[in-house]
Amino acid sequence: DQQVKQNSPSLSVQEGRISILNCDYTNSMFDYFLWYKKYPAEGPTFLISISSIKDKNEDGRFTVFLNKSAKHLSLHIVPSQPGDSAVYFCAARVLYGGSQGNLIFGKGTKLSVKP
Amino acid sequence: DTAVSQTPKYLVTQMGNDKSIKCEQNLGHDTMYWYKQDSKKFLKIMFSYNNKELIINETVPNRFSPKSPDKAHLNLHINSLELGDSAVYFCASSQGGTSGGTDTQYFGPGTRLTVL
Repeated sequence: DQQVKQNSPSLSVQEGRISILNCDYTNSMFDYFLWYKKYPAEGPTFLISISSIKDKNEDGRFTVFLNKSAKHLSLHIVPSQPGDSAVYFCAARVLYGGSQGNLIFGKGTKLSVKP
Repeated sequence: DTAVSQTPKYLVTQMGNDKSIKCEQNLGHDTMYWYKQDSKKFLKIMFSYNNKELIINETVPNRFSPKSPDKAHLNLHINSLELGDSAVYFCASSQGGTSGGTDTQYFGPGTRLTVL
């Protein structure tokens, strides 16, 4: 059972335009959401996060929106650049056993930004 | 300086063998993790560990065991390797403790394990 779903395996966008990556989740206990970016042959790198008490977080060209009622979050990249081409993973944190919460990852969306 | 490093980067071995993957972090973090990314590209937590407790994902076979010689290292030992163990394994670390939900995990580059 996938608790975090990224239903679009790929997305192609023209340079300079907006990229919108979507993520849905099923577990209402998630309290923290993150986006990771992954280049081939490298590990995921943290991009941006949002707490469940907020509905928007912005960092430069990257903005994450959270709609708790819809259990949906999205990552907006504007303007998109060719260097943004990578796989983007949505992740959510669930508290587990009183220790540091483990991340639950989506399957990823491969973003291609064309010059 | 690589924050989280893993060795080897590639590992090809026969079924039934025992192998280890090493992980080191130089970030001074308290918590380390092992993830498995299978052929369907899902990244799934296998273990999280700090100097106080080991949390094991109940779906992980007991052929897999983490070993931590010190706070900066968390190695992954796999006994009696099976074909289904072929995957990319990622190590990660985070500050851990109570950090108000802003605890970011930093990942290593991954180890691609192929079991023949």
